[in-house]
Amino acid sequence: AQKVTQAQTEISVVEKEDVTLDCVYETRDTTYYLFWYKQPPSGELVFLIRRNSFDEQNEISGRYSWNFQKSTSSFNFTITASQVVDSAVYFCALSVLLTGGGNKLTFGTGTQLKVEL
Amino acid sequence: DTGVSQDPRHKITKRGQNVTFRCDPISEHNRLYWYRQTLGQGPEFLTYFQNEAQLEKSRLLSDRFSAERPKGSFSTLEIQRTEQGDSAMYLCASSRSGELVYGYTFGSGTRLTVV
Repeated sequence: AQKVTQAQTEISVVEKEDVTLDCVYETRDTTYYLFWYKQPPSGELVFLIRRNSFDEQNEISGRYSWNFQKSTSSFNFTITASQVVDSAVYFCALSVLLTGGGNKLTFGTGTQLKVEL
Repeated sequence: DTGVSQDPRHKITKRGQNVTFRCDPISEHNRLYWYRQTLGQGPEFLTYFQNEAQLEKSRLLSDRFSAERPKGSFSTLEIQRTEQGDSAMYLCASSRSGELVYGYTFGSGTRLTVV
């Protein structure tokens, strides 16, 4: 069975601080994909990044960076110099293939990030 | 490309009533998914269509739930004899075959409240 754990329920930081959101996953599959999504108060899930199980290279996109460590089954997300607009719920998700080639996402419970002035 | 549209945005219904939600995916997307999200939780997979064929259903989808995607375009999710436990956000998402790079595109969801 697939499982994603986001142990941090809520994090509060002051603007310009760096913040890391933790994600630990469980799967028996050798091929899988990991995702991060952002859910602002409007409710729509916004895709941030995908990483496949064969690519452990860390990635940086502007103020966002991701650290994938297969040895510890972790896929952590760091926001550098946080801004108020980063306030949202962030979800980590694990993807498995479905019949016909679709994929099912198993989400963690999310981390509520509050960035204050 | 106007994204994934869901209608209505909000629905309040009395326990025991039937409700139907609609999802219009991005036009060139042949795959469509339904998820349910309860307060404080991540979305949970309900069902998946490839074109008009429903290929996967979660155990969460009880007999009171039925989803259709006629002609492989829009999709409907119907809940019969609603219960208070059905109160949740129902999210629709779509994707195109072979296009996993950007994950799904999610709609803004339909928030159901059963009173």
